Amino acid sequence: GDSVTQMEGPVTLSEEAFLTINCTYTATGYPSLFWYVQYPGEGLQLLLKATKADDKGSNKGFEATYRKETTSFHLEKGSVQVSDSAVYFCALSGRNTPLVFGKGTRLSVIA
Amino acid sequence: ETGVTQTPRHLVMGMTNKKSLKCEQHLGHNAMYWYKQSAKKPLELMFVYNFKEQTENNSVPSRFSPECPNSSHLFLHLHTLQPEDSALYLCASSQDNGGDTEAFFGQGTRLTVV
Repeated sequence: GDSVTQMEGPVTLSEEAFLTINCTYTATGYPSLFWYVQYPGEGLQLLLKATKADDKGSNKGFEATYRKETTSFHLEKGSVQVSDSAVYFCALSGRNTPLVFGKGTRLSVIA
Repeated sequence: ETGVTQTPRHLVMGMTNKKSLKCEQHLGHNAMYWYKQSAKKPLELMFVYNFKEQTENNSVPSRFSPECPNSSHLFLHLHTLQPEDSALYLCASSQDNGGDTEAFFGQGTRLTVV
């Protein structure tokens, strides 16, 4: 079945550092890909998405590009802030199928 | 109110209790979901309701019983739970039009079974 694999955390960075969280997927067909973020004590919020190959999703300085050839959707941000500390989930959704999530990567940004 | 609202935010219950979790969505969506989030485990999809019909039940124990009276409301009835059922229970909704699904989540109910 469909699955998502993302890098294990936790990831600890200093403020203004560059962030990469790797995500690869296995799916039949051409799924849509998502990054969700979960702040402490909250539910999941959609951060960005891409619906077809070579699409780039972006929001709040975060970016991810749908790479069909490498089945990847890595999350990047050029300069992280303390307020970016959260758990980040990569997910996919195929046609008529609910979201499938990765295990999540906890990011801690220190001042 | 907007978005997806879950109540209560926190719940402590004994193993012999019966309680219910409530979810309400104000987005006009036609599909609703229950997910379980446990420490150090992936998000687990429990139930899916599409147009009020249950379309998916991922081998969830019968001590969890969902109910979807209309497309805006979703309940999870809990009975005779075990301590390992302690987790964050997340409700989500989406507009299922046969295409790819982007879900909107509530803030979750933190359940502790004692």
